[in-house]
Amino acid sequence: KAGVTQTPRYLIKTRGQQVTLSCSPISGHRSVSWYQQTPGQGLQFLFEYFSETQRNKGNFPGRFSGRQFSNSRSEMNVSTLELGDSALYLCASSRQTGGRNEQYFGPGTRLTVT
Amino acid sequence: KQEVTQIPAALSVPEGENLVLNCSFTDSAIYNLQWFRQDPGKGLTSLLLIQSSQREQTSGRLNASLDKSSGRSTLYIAASQPGDSATYLCATSLAGSGNTGKLIFGQGTTLQVKP
Repeated sequence: KAGVTQTPRYLIKTRGQQVTLSCSPISGHRSVSWYQQTPGQGLQFLFEYFSETQRNKGNFPGRFSGRQFSNSRSEMNVSTLELGDSALYLCASSRQTGGRNEQYFGPGTRLTVT
Repeated sequence: KQEVTQIPAALSVPEGENLVLNCSFTDSAIYNLQWFRQDPGKGLTSLLLIQSSQREQTSGRLNASLDKSSGRSTLYIAASQPGDSATYLCATSLAGSGNTGKLIFGQGTTLQVKP
């Protein structure tokens, strides 16, 4: 079974630009969660999508948005990039069954904002 | 608000030693607790998941325990090997509709196992 895939793996953008990151979940997983990882703040939850609906949202500004498609693939968008948005962006997919919601992570997208 | 703390932040041990990593959390109404491993610059690998109703889970040389009443979990690694060197992360999700897909992470314990 293929794992979670994320594209692109690396991105370099300039302040003020916008960026779109993509995540393809494990087949059969309908939930996709996004996280930001930085050396200072660690891993922080951005949002979760389930069946094309945002089910939960972390404490990030409105510049961060996402969506999920009918095939469960998800994208996140960051507009008006700031230097502080430089981070590793990770997505995870899961399938909730019988009290378990085990998240499987992709390799991440490394975003550098200059 | 759930807060997850991991102690110690870093640990260096000789090969073959048994070791324990600690994780504490403030809200005991958890849904799942998951332990992950992260190698430098890579994504997270799920090691063990403990459901709210469980006390421990085992996989090979790894054993994770959960004590909700005290807000603690431990990850026990037996007979450590240099290949175990990585950052270990503990994360919890809370019970309740819409919360189970949101993981709250600790800052991690960076483990170095010396040959």
